[in-house]
Amino acid sequence: DGGITQSPKYLFRKEGQNVTLSCEQNLNHDAMYWYRQDPGQGLRLIYYSQIVNDFQKGDIAEGYSVSREKKESFPLTVTSAQKNPTAFYLCASSIKRGTNTGELFFGEGSRLTVL
Amino acid sequence: GNSVTQMEGPVTLSEEAFLTINCTYTATGYPSLFWYVQYPGEGLQLLLKATKADDKGSNKGFEATYRKETTSFHLEKGSVQVSDSAVYFCALTLNTGGFKTIFGAGTRLFVKA
Repeated sequence: DGGITQSPKYLFRKEGQNVTLSCEQNLNHDAMYWYRQDPGQGLRLIYYSQIVNDFQKGDIAEGYSVSREKKESFPLTVTSAQKNPTAFYLCASSIKRGTNTGELFFGEGSRLTVL
Repeated sequence: GNSVTQMEGPVTLSEEAFLTINCTYTATGYPSLFWYVQYPGEGLQLLLKATKADDKGSNKGFEATYRKETTSFHLEKGSVQVSDSAVYFCALTLNTGGFKTIFGAGTRLFVKA
């Protein structure tokens, strides 16, 4: 079955450590996204990529980094510069162009807790 | 700017009650409109969508109509079930050479047996 796989589902980090969240898709989608979700809030865009080897900052990119070396993969690194990293992180993908309406397909999410 | 406003929750209903979750939007251009649903501990999944004015999206008994004159996309269901308990997100997507999606804050629905 096609879909998006995020790992790990739960992650604990000590302050000052970098962590990398994995996101893999087998939907052959061009565009991939990372969102952050905090309790009682909507989703906020961290980074997005519309094509391999290219990505853009979203609304809250500070303290995060990404790479897009393969179409299927879009890992997110939460660096020690991120002041409040405890959150639920969601990876998504979409077909980039054509008659598509921009529907997003989401992974199951990764919950990061900083101890 | 572009934005989505949806009613605050939580919304608590008894099983078989009628559901309405209000959603209004502000957008430059002609967005597509979506409702996504998030069950506990999971990612979001598409519930329904509408791509132009007066379109009605429907799925699993839920409906929403794209009202351009009132810039609204209210979600309705005639008879909710306990299994409908989840968080519902209204969203708009604009095609600006790539897709940009803006989400509302989400509305949590509790359905009691």
